[in-house]
Amino acid sequence: SQQGEEDPQALSIQEGENATMNCSYKTSINNLQWYRQNSGRGLVHLILIRSNEREKHSGRLRVTLDTSKKSSSLLITASRAADTASYFCATEETSGSRLTFGEGTQLTVNP
Amino acid sequence: NAGVMQNPRHLVRRRGQEARLRCSPMKGHSHVYWYRQLPEEGLKFMVYLQKENIIDESGMPKERFSAEFPKEGPSILRIQQVVRGDSAAYFCASSPTHPANYGYTFGSGTRLTVV
Repeated sequence: SQQGEEDPQALSIQEGENATMNCSYKTSINNLQWYRQNSGRGLVHLILIRSNEREKHSGRLRVTLDTSKKSSSLLITASRAADTASYFCATEETSGSRLTFGEGTQLTVNP
Repeated sequence: NAGVMQNPRHLVRRRGQEARLRCSPMKGHSHVYWYRQLPEEGLKFMVYLQKENIIDESGMPKERFSAEFPKEGPSILRIQQVVRGDSAAYFCASSPTHPANYGYTFGSGTRLTVV
């Protein structure tokens, strides 16, 4: 079963709107990270939030982490067509030696 | 700093042939991770290596797959006797530390097609 599961699987919005993606996980973690992948390309690291942090901002990105619910959310404000991509959450488990990725949310921002 | 370099970008092999995928981590990064991605799916961990050592290969099939990260040169993911099910994108990532305090840096991937 997946450590990280994103919700929704796909999201389509208009330019200027906000996009919210959620991620749930199962085990104890050191940190949770969000990555973006444009079609046919490698993943780009967006933001990392540690297990003792609750919220983090980076530009138009806002990430929250609720370790009691084992969930995280990624908010992209004032979306742009260039934000169209797949977004993945990844967890670094306290017991593991690598990142475990979810299945991703495909975001489409329509101009 | 050229980032994580993977080659080739695209690789076509016939069933039964060998595939060799190369990854040069970012300068100063001694931790290398290999992942496989099937179409429309997330990344699945395969193996974690440091220079000359395999640290965690729990995600790599026991047969036909092997990985190395020699003292000199790139990390190599080797798939022997490829089958159609090996067709996927293979991504390499590197980090200067473990745990990766600032995330991984990914390469652009090698897309393997087995015909």
